[in-house]
Amino acid sequence: DTGVSQNPRHKITKRGQNVTFRCDPISEHNRLYWYRQTLGQGPEFLTYFQNEAQLEKSRLLSDRFSAERPKGSFSTLEIQRTEQGDSAMYLCASSLASGTADGYTFGSGTRLTVV
Amino acid sequence: AQSVAQPEDQVNVAEGNPLTVKCTYSVSGNPYLFWYVQYPNRGLQFLLKYITGDNLVKGSYGFEAEFNKSQTSFHLKKPSALVSDSALYFCAVRDGTGGYNKLIFGAGTRLAVHP
Repeated sequence: DTGVSQNPRHKITKRGQNVTFRCDPISEHNRLYWYRQTLGQGPEFLTYFQNEAQLEKSRLLSDRFSAERPKGSFSTLEIQRTEQGDSAMYLCASSLASGTADGYTFGSGTRLTVV
Repeated sequence: AQSVAQPEDQVNVAEGNPLTVKCTYSVSGNPYLFWYVQYPNRGLQFLLKYITGDNLVKGSYGFEAEFNKSQTSFHLKKPSALVSDSALYFCAVRDGTGGYNKLIFGAGTRLAVHP
C-alpha cells in the first residue's frame, strides 16, 4: 500500500438516506484529515484525527456528520439524513505528525451525489 | 485566521511559454505554504512547500515557487509549460490555530496550456 485509499469512489443516494465513506491512510501516518470539496472551490477542512483521537471539528461539520477512527488506522465518515447540499467530493488525507507541517497525501476522494 | 487567495480563476498559456499561477497569503507568524495540483476526478497531489530558507523552492514536475515576504506572495512558476500541466492548482497555508495543524486551501486556479 503506497497511497491513501478511499471507498467508494462514487455514491448516489436519495435525500434522507444515510451514507458512510471509508478512508485507509498510509500505514505509518498517524494523522488523518477529512475535507469537502464542492465544484469550483478548494477543499474545506472538516475534521482531523491524531491516531484514534478526533482533535478538531470544523463548524461545517453539522450534527448529521460523524467521523471515527476506532483503532487509529482506517477512518469512516458518516452522513445521516443526507441533503442535496451535501453533494460534494469528500477527500481524505494523511500525514506524519512532526514538528513542521508536512505535505499531506490525499486519496482520490468519494464523490457523493444526493438526488 | 490564516488564509490564502488565488486571484485568477483561470490562466491560459501556450505550450513552451513560461507560466505563473498567483497566490497571496495572510498569516500571523511565519508562513508555511504549499502548492497542490488536482487532475480530473483525482485527489490532490503535493507539488512543493515553503517552510524556511531559500525564497525559491523547487518541486515536482519542473515547478518552482517564489516566496516574497514583502508582497506576501507565493507564486507558482514553470519556465516552459506542457499541455499535460493543464489541471487545477491550489495554494495552501498551514493553520495552527488551536494548537493543531491543518491546511487551509485557496479556491484554486485552472491552468489551461494550449498546443
